[in-house]
Amino acid sequence: GAVVSQHPSRVICKSGTSVKIECRSLDFQATTMFWYRQFPKKSLMLMATSNEGSKATYEQGVEKDKFLINHASLTLSTLTVTSAHPEDSSFYICSAAPGTRNTEAFFGQGTRLTVV
Amino acid sequence: GQNIDQPTEMTATEGAIVQINCTYQTSGFNGLFWYQQHAGEAPTFLSYNVLDGLEEKGRFSSFLSRSKGYSYLLLKELQMKDSASYLCAVSFSWGKLQFGAGTQVVVTP
Repeated sequence: GAVVSQHPSRVICKSGTSVKIECRSLDFQATTMFWYRQFPKKSLMLMATSNEGSKATYEQGVEKDKFLINHASLTLSTLTVTSAHPEDSSFYICSAAPGTRNTEAFFGQGTRLTVV
Repeated sequence: GQNIDQPTEMTATEGAIVQINCTYQTSGFNGLFWYQQHAGEAPTFLSYNVLDGLEEKGRFSSFLSRSKGYSYLLLKELQMKDSASYLCAVSFSWGKLQFGAGTQVVVTP
């Protein structure tokens, strides 16, 4: 299957700092990628849809100024958590689906963010 | 709105069969996916249904009834490594998934 790589896998940062998470599609082009967030023992919640060359579409309740998304190329989307707070600590996962028909979405490995 | 329901936890014995049900009410439907997720890891794809009926892939099968808003995942010949969370997800637009809360399956010896 297609490969989606996410980096870093784990990051610890101090409150008030910003953290950037990268999501790359390694063997296909992705005009659209998706960012999810998962709290312990909870399911994945869609945060935003990342669109190459245009603004991201955020789900209701997600602060776009806090979670900055940039999709500058067909293989890379980045999520930047700005002014991080301890409550931002979570598991962040990206996904992308190759092709134009409805196919399975492939997930990155996820990033465990801990804000101290 | 979107609403996807699945049981919280199920326990079964090694070698047995377990069926995980998922019901959904969504404003759009482009297919239903099942993913397996081990703790601390990203989900891995198991199966996909877009038309009514049964899809079989080895020890895993998935069934869909669109008119009833119902799906199930069947795990046969359970192995200890099958202990994980199983996520039902509805695609309501291309690539975009709405997940259920997940069903934790515990396989006992």
